[in-house]
Formats: sequence, C-alpha cells, structure tokens
Amino acid sequence: AQSVTQLGSHVSVSEGALVLLRCNYSSSVPPYLFWYVQYPNQGLQLLLKYTSAATLVKGINGFEAEFKKSETSFHLTKPSAHMSDAAEYFCAVSMYSSASKIIFGSGTRLSIRP
Amino acid sequence: DADVTQTPRNRITKTGKRIMLECSQTKGHDRMYWYRQDPGLGLRLIYYSFDVKDINKGEISDGYSVSRQAQAKFSLSLESAIPNQTALYFCATSDSRTGEDQPQHFGDGTRLSIL
Repeated sequence: AQSVTQLGSHVSVSEGALVLLRCNYSSSVPPYLFWYVQYPNQGLQLLLKYTSAATLVKGINGFEAEFKKSETSFHLTKPSAHMSDAAEYFCAVSMYSSASKIIFGSGTRLSIRP
Repeated sequence: DADVTQTPRNRITKTGKRIMLECSQTKGHDRMYWYRQDPGLGLRLIYYSFDVKDINKGEISDGYSVSRQAQAKFSLSLESAIPNQTALYFCATSDSRTGEDQPQHFGDGTRLSIL
C-alpha cells in the first residue's frame, strides 16, 4: 500500500523568499509522484509529476521537485515566491500510472507575505 | 468557457433528500472521475469511468451512485443525503490516448451542505 504525508498544513513565506513544501511517501514499489495546486474556488491543476525518468522534475510556474529515494521524499521548491503562488498544494502518490490509484496528501496551504 | 463544468456550484439541502451533481466536459477525454474533498483529508476518489460502459467504484463509493450518460457527461447522485456527505465535490477528466493517466483537468467544484 502507498501513502503520502505532507509536513505542515500551513506554510508562510515572504515574497521573493524560497518556497519549500515537504512531501514524504511510502510505497512498496517505485512510485509515481505528483504535485497539484488549488487556487481559491478552483479545482486542482497538475504542477508536475515524477514517473521514474529524471529525479529533478520541472513544472509550471517555476516550481520544481526532486525525487530522493533514500529519503522517500518529493519536496516542492520555488526559488522566489510570488504573491500569485498563494494557494493550497497537494502531493500525491501512485504505484501505477493510473488515476484510479492515486492517493492524495492532506494539503499544505501556502501564504505569501508582502 | 470552462473545459470541465460542474453544476450546481453550491447546494444546501436536507437529510434524506436525493441530490444529483452534474459534470460535463469539452475536452473530449474518455476518462472521468468524481472526488470528494474534506478539510485536512485531501481528495478521495468516489467513482471513476474509463468510458461510457465502464464504471468503477473508488475508495469511498458507499452512499453514492453515478451515471455516464455520454462521453462528455458524468453525474454523481446521493440517493438519500446524510450530513457527513457535506463536502466539496470535484469532477475530473483524463485522456488515455495521451498516456497521461493522472487526473488532468478539474472542474471548479460543487460545495454541498447537508443539514
């Protein structure tokens, strides 16, 4: 069985600062890993995904995530936060390339201070 | 126009009522999904459909039913609503032809309150 844990339900950073959202996973086989973003009153959008190719995955809006097998982590980063990055971010894991098998984390709300 | 449209956007109803949430998409995707979002729990899969004749239960299907009326339409029903079904509901789509099997496009959600 797989699971995903997002550390910190709320993260606040200053505009221009580094964004780091943490995600750790548990999977008995090599996982597929995803980050989604949810802006207020909207559905989720796929930011990026890892499917066993390059361990550093670049996504939209300047975000990237690094798969670290030894740490079972897939943390999301952005070098410089922008006010428009304020949203909720969900990490998700799947053992298969199948949407029916994706397990979502509980989410991290990112706030940006001016 | 939105690619994935959910109606209604908000609904307040009473315990025991039958509720239908509708989803339509203009993406031409073959796969459609219904998720439920609760605070602190992320999204959980209720039902999914890989095509019009293929409907499958997800993680939390009890108390729900679905109908795939056409490739573009996928509705979710609560036959007899109960308060713990109060949540934010999302419809999503994906296109198996692209090999992108994760949910790709989400509607803006239906906020359902059961009193």
